Amino acid sequence: GENVEQHPSTLSVQEGDSAVIKCTYSDSASNYFPWYKQELGKGPQLIIDIRSNVGEKKDQRIAVTLNKTAKHFSLHITETQPEDSAVYFCAASIDFNKFYFGSGTKLNVKP
Amino acid sequence: DAGITQSPRHKVTETGTPVTLRCHQTENHRYMYWYRQDPGHGLRLIHYSYGVKDTDKGEVSDGYSVSRSKTEDFLLTLESATSSQTSVYFCAISESTADNEQFFGPGTRLTVL
Repeated sequence: GENVEQHPSTLSVQEGDSAVIKCTYSDSASNYFPWYKQELGKGPQLIIDIRSNVGEKKDQRIAVTLNKTAKHFSLHITETQPEDSAVYFCAASIDFNKFYFGSGTKLNVKP
Repeated sequence: DAGITQSPRHKVTETGTPVTLRCHQTENHRYMYWYRQDPGHGLRLIHYSYGVKDTDKGEVSDGYSVSRSKTEDFLLTLESATSSQTSVYFCAISESTADNEQFFGPGTRLTVL
């Protein structure tokens, strides 16, 4: 099956700085890549996603890039704020039902 | 949490006992999923359903069974709980595969002693 690796496992940034989280996947057939944010005690919530026919997608301070050749995709958060502190998960999907998640990145934004 | 409830929210049980977790949705979404979340592993799909009485296995289905007799309810059963099944369990729903977005419930923390 698909294998998704996510780095770093923890990331600490100063408020206002940018944060980048990277994921690699193993199956070239994967064609959908969502990113989820999970706050303490809650379920994950989708923040942005990208399909394999697109190289980059932006939504305000959040962007995702996809490199199909290298089989990696990244989450970029600009102008970080304390409320961005959470655990972020990437995922890859081949058939849109089975999502394979990375192990998560705990982001800490220091005021 | 997009009209998804999970019950119970916390449960402590002993090895060898049966356990059933319930996911209830009010969104009338067709697809429902059960995941487990463990440190260092992210979320892993256990089983999913693509309609009433239609289910399929996920990545880590051994030791688990599911049932869906109504659109709104998806049950996860551990026939004989083991300590390795101590985890946080999340239910998710989606309207269609084309839409892709999965909405997650609040989770159930299960401890098997």
